Amino acid sequence: QVHLVESGGGVVQPGRSLRLSCAASGFNFSTNAMHWVRQAPGKGLEWVAVLSSDGSNKHYTDSVKGRFTISRDNAKNTVFLQMNSLGAEDTAVYYCARDYNGLGYWGQGTLVTVSS
Amino acid sequence: EIVLTQSPGTLSLSPGERATLSCRASQSIRSTYLAWYQQKPGQAPRLLIYDASSRATGIPDRFSGSGSGTDFTLTISGLEPEDVAVYYCQQYYKSPLGFGGGTKVAIK
Repeated sequence: QVHLVESGGGVVQPGRSLRLSCAASGFNFSTNAMHWVRQAPGKGLEWVAVLSSDGSNKHYTDSVKGRFTISRDNAKNTVFLQMNSLGAEDTAVYYCARDYNGLGYWGQGTLVTVSS
Repeated sequence: EIVLTQSPGTLSLSPGERATLSCRASQSIRSTYLAWYQQKPGQAPRLLIYDASSRATGIPDRFSGSGSGTDFTLTISGLEPEDVAVYYCQQYYKSPLGFGGGTKVAIK
């Protein structure tokens, strides 16, 4: 059974950094690309980033380029999202998702609140 | 960048009625790399349809997807109370992957 568990969210001041983690189980993690998707309070879904299975290929939405970095540790079945220079516009629930027939499996999300 | 526009914004129907949700892309999505997701309040999104018309595992057959190119449709034949949710389309043809703005389905 596929299981994705995000962690690392919380309240952070503007301009600071935060690192999210997503622990995966129930599938062959090292052969799947992984995504991060976010959802601001009361808003729709926004795709954030994707990382290929071997970590060699990554893409970001324009609003986070240069500030966010997606990475993975295939030995630990974990994908990360390093978020720097955070602003109020980054306040959202962040979901990780497995690349499988689209985004076939999602975690329950972790809330990031950027506030002074 | 491929922009997805969903309509209507809100759909209010009686139980048993047919719901038709539209997703229009700003450019052709080749290979029908389009998915539909359901999100109920307080929950993570769930994959319903992939490759425009294939149902994901465990999804009831009242949900169906169709379309190609720039016009795609999600149909719920026989709306049930548990189908109250927001539905999003998403293209995974090219980066940046994008979602539509969503259609909220309510029961009268």
